[in-house]
Amino acid sequence: NAGVTQTPKFRVLKTGQSMTLLCAQDMNHEYMYWYRQDPGMGLRLIHYSVGEGTTAKGEVPDGYNVSRLKKQNFLLGLESAAPSQTSVYFCASSYLQYNSPLHFGNGTRLTVT
Amino acid sequence: GDSVTQMEGPVTLSEEAFLTINCTYTATGYPSLFWYVQYPGEGLQLLLKATKADDKGSNKGFEATYRKETTSFHLEKGSVQVSDSAVYFCALSNFGNEKLTFGTGTRLTIIP
Repeated sequence: NAGVTQTPKFRVLKTGQSMTLLCAQDMNHEYMYWYRQDPGMGLRLIHYSVGEGTTAKGEVPDGYNVSRLKKQNFLLGLESAAPSQTSVYFCASSYLQYNSPLHFGNGTRLTVT
Repeated sequence: GDSVTQMEGPVTLSEEAFLTINCTYTATGYPSLFWYVQYPGEGLQLLLKATKADDKGSNKGFEATYRKETTSFHLEKGSVQVSDSAVYFCALSNFGNEKLTFGTGTRLTIIP
């Protein structure tokens, strides 16, 4: 049972480069989320999706775009990476919106130089 | 809006010590409350939850009781082990809010 799988696990980018992080879940969950985790700041929500074909902004959406073309996949894109986007990125999914625990992937560590 | 405040770390304890990590919340209505744990190099995973006042969530020797009168959900364990070293996050889910609200996390280190 894979759960939530994130690829890649590590990535180093130069300022201005672009990349896409892939999140895949095999639990048929409707809701998917992208968070970033920075020291001393906990988890901050970037974007989320309440179902296939939908996306919405979270707390810190600037500099990121997302797409949910298939229910099981949620992609996070950085069009022009900046050093401030150096972080650990986590994808999560849940069955329901309310009262339903999140299932997290193991994260992608991104460094922008 | 909803918010969660948890005890700042880091917390360092000796093995077999008693653990308390404080968590208080601000929310309207009747939120559900969660504790998540993050082991080194991994994502968060659900540790326990409580969905209504006076409920007690428990798992792996950890417990937390949903106290509406004090808006608290403190995490406790009677005897910690080295393997409990991790970062612990308190969180709440509220009806009508499409996202989970997390505290900033408390790093726990247990020394043998």
